[in-house]
Amino acid sequence: DTGVSQDPRHKITKRGQNVTFRCDPISEHNRLYWYRQTLGQGPEFLTYFQNEAQLEKSRLLSDRFSAERPKGSFSTLEIQRTEQGDSAMYLCASSLAAGLGSYNEQFFGPGTRLTVL
Amino acid sequence: QQQVKQSPQSLIVQKGGISIINCAYENTAFDYFPWYQQFPGKGPALLIAIRPDVSEKKEGRFTISFNKSAKQFSLHIMDSQPGDSATYFCAASLGYQKVTFGTGTKLQVIP
Repeated sequence: DTGVSQDPRHKITKRGQNVTFRCDPISEHNRLYWYRQTLGQGPEFLTYFQNEAQLEKSRLLSDRFSAERPKGSFSTLEIQRTEQGDSAMYLCASSLAAGLGSYNEQFFGPGTRLTVL
Repeated sequence: QQQVKQSPQSLIVQKGGISIINCAYENTAFDYFPWYQQFPGKGPALLIAIRPDVSEKKEGRFTISFNKSAKQFSLHIMDSQPGDSATYFCAASLGYQKVTFGTGTKLQVIP
């Protein structure tokens, strides 16, 4: 399977606990994105990496959220001290930067559904 | 600030009919307009995309119409099939940057 994979697919946690999600992008893709999707809404951008550098973070990404992509391959998204409002689908996407004038065809993974009790 | 507005929120179409979803954007710097299809429990999948220098793009039963002066674009699904039942998102991005999604249209195609 050469698509974007995410693990776990589902996570149930209690309020106040920390959780970590993993994303494995398409192997040759140098850009990796995290989005959050709540029920009935479109995905909202959280952050993105080019190789191992985190280039942009949304205002949605509070101090409790941290993302890493240590070797420019897989990425992790950690949420500390989870709150009920963090319940959502967390989507990872990857793309290949093909140079100036290229277009951002992002390929999405299946997502991790987080439920905070 | 919602930069991509999408309508309708839901749509019911008879099998064989035409499904039409409309979107409007605000940021004239956007230069790539993809449409994504999402089935329950799955991530969005790219369906078709258009650049603003093109007024129409057709791929099979799916057509994007783009009106740059009105800052509007739409997706037409011809000969709609029950398998097309899904949520459709219009989106916009600037080059390699993040994709800004619309709020989604839940399409149901009834036999």
